[in-house]
Amino acid sequence: DTGVSQDPRHKITKRGQNVTFRCDPISEHNRLYWYRQTLGQGPEFLTYFQNEAQLEKSRLLSDRFSAERPKGSFSTLEIQRTEQGDSAMYLCASSPRGSGANVLTFGAGSRLTVL
Amino acid sequence: QQQVKQSPQSLIVQKGGIPIINCAYENTAFDYFPWYQQFPGKGPALLIAIRPDVSEKKEGRFTISFNKSAKQFSLHIMDSQPGDSATYFCAARNGGGSNYKLTFGKGTLLTVNP
Repeated sequence: DTGVSQDPRHKITKRGQNVTFRCDPISEHNRLYWYRQTLGQGPEFLTYFQNEAQLEKSRLLSDRFSAERPKGSFSTLEIQRTEQGDSAMYLCASSPRGSGANVLTFGAGSRLTVL
Repeated sequence: QQQVKQSPQSLIVQKGGIPIINCAYENTAFDYFPWYQQFPGKGPALLIAIRPDVSEKKEGRFTISFNKSAKQFSLHIMDSQPGDSATYFCAARNGGGSNYKLTFGKGTLLTVNP
């Protein structure tokens, strides 16, 4: 399967703990996105990478959030000092360069529950 | 500020019916309008998309109608099947500087009864 892989699929943590999510995009895709989806809402944009460069970070991402894509391949999203409001599904997506850049392929998501 | 308003929130139809989901936007800089389908436990998957220079696009049983002057677009599903039961999201992309960012509607939960 050459889709977008996310790990872990589900994470339960206590308030104040740090969590890290990993995303492996489709190998030939140079664009990578993180979105957050809460219950009953559509996905909300968090951040965007083109290769290893992080080109935009949403105001939704407080300084407790950090994302990296060190070699332009996989990406990690870390949340420090988690709060109950961080509970959500974190979706990763990727797209190729060129005419297919608009076609985002999403992973199944990493669901975070903060107790 | 919700830039893409989607309705209805939920919709129930019988098999063979034609559910219609509507979206409206305000930002005239939006230049690409995709629809995504999401099944429980899965990520959203691109279904069909349209640009504002055409008024209709059809792919299989799915049709987008686009009204640029009204800033509205809608998804029609012909001959709906129980397997179409899912959550549908409309989205829009800003053609300006942040042309990689999609703004999504809140979603419509569609149930197609057998």
